[in-house]
Amino acid sequence: DAGITQSPRHKVTETGTPVTLRCHQTENHRYMYWYRQDPGHGLRLIHYSYGVKDTDKGEVSDGYSVSRSKTEDFLLTLESATSSQTSVYFCAMAGTGVYEQYFGPGTRLTVT
Amino acid sequence: AQSVTQPDIHITVSEGASLELRCNYSYGATPYLFWYVQSPGQGLQLLLKYFSGDTLVQGIKGFEAEFKRSQSSFNLRKPSVHWSDAAEYFCAVGAGNAGNMLTFGGGTRLMVKP
Repeated sequence: DAGITQSPRHKVTETGTPVTLRCHQTENHRYMYWYRQDPGHGLRLIHYSYGVKDTDKGEVSDGYSVSRSKTEDFLLTLESATSSQTSVYFCAMAGTGVYEQYFGPGTRLTVT
Repeated sequence: AQSVTQPDIHITVSEGASLELRCNYSYGATPYLFWYVQSPGQGLQLLLKYFSGDTLVQGIKGFEAEFKRSQSSFNLRKPSVHWSDAAEYFCAVGAGNAGNMLTFGGGTRLMVKP
């Protein structure tokens, strides 16, 4: 979706290093989400945000933290990357009273 | 908690043939239901959605889906598949809860034979 971007699009990092992925939206939407996509698992929710400084855990939150200091930005941090966190990460957004989510293009992260 | 099952991991159809992708959900009340499509290397694009009302919903790219409460299903259909429809398709269910969260199925990968 043109209103939501992710950076970087690709990243290779080493085990034990911190990694931050950025999601940026221009739609002023209240809700933002981080998912990971792995073969056979579909998309699994990591964390989500329902407003500035308001975040909560999803299904697979261990090893991840998030921050949202501005409406438009939602950051996902891997404090100490592990090989099991090699995945494709998607950010999504949703407006108030609008239940569908709109997705960014994804970030492919490889932890070696 | 809600859940979504897409029984078919892979489906292959011939170009021009009809298509039906299955989706079964588990949720206690009337759910919000969605189908998304993901082309290789791309993000997810919303195909269609069901919130209430007419149980047959039309989406983009000639797709439609039918909500059947008695079968807890929301199957996706297309009368004539094009080679460009080759992609992965995800069904999702939402509860309309405070976080607007969705639960996704595992996906069905569609291959189209010429």
